[in-house]
Amino acid sequence: NAGVTQTPKFRILKIGQSMTLQCAQDMNHNYMYWYRQDPGMGLKLIYYSVGAGITDKGEVPNGYNVSRSTTEDFPLRLELAAPSQTSVYFCASSYWATNEKLFFGSGTQLSVL
Amino acid sequence: AQSVTQLDSHVSVSEGTPVLLRCNYSSSYSPSLFWYVQHPNKGLQLLLKYTSAATLVKGINGFEAEFKKSETSFHLTKPSAHMSDAAEYFCVVSGGDGNKLVFGAGTILRVKS
Repeated sequence: NAGVTQTPKFRILKIGQSMTLQCAQDMNHNYMYWYRQDPGMGLKLIYYSVGAGITDKGEVPNGYNVSRSTTEDFPLRLELAAPSQTSVYFCASSYWATNEKLFFGSGTQLSVL
Repeated sequence: AQSVTQLDSHVSVSEGTPVLLRCNYSSSYSPSLFWYVQHPNKGLQLLLKYTSAATLVKGINGFEAEFKKSETSFHLTKPSAHMSDAAEYFCVVSGGDGNKLVFGAGTILRVKS
């Protein structure tokens, strides 16, 4: 039981490049989330999913896309990377709504130069 | 709308002395409140949560928090700090729109030997 697995751990992108951050969970959780963490700002919700095939925007969705084709996987796509997307990205999951405990991955540190 | 304010960005204590991390919240609904901890280069881990049961909530590693509705506060305490408590702590509120947690900006706890 690995929990929530994120890859890669670190990545440097050039402006305008694209990439996909991978997230997988093996706990059969319905809910999955993507957050970004900027210094002194706490975590901001980018996108979330309440089950396979269902996704919705969070607070800061611009510049990102997601898909949820299976219960286990919830990739985050960055199109046309910009310096403002330099951040630490966390994937999280929970079995039910967010009044339940969230399980977090270990994060992806992304720099856009 | 929900919001949360962590009153101190940094707290420094000596090992063996009490810890107090302060959090005030605002919510139009009966809130659920959480404290999460993040150790360096790790994902967030749930310390404790309040969901309208007992106002004094006990969590892992000797931490506890008290929900005070009249003061709209949810401060985190520990009687005796340990070096391993050095981390960043996030106060989180949920309520109303149940899919969206709101994170505070975080408090970095330093423990001196």
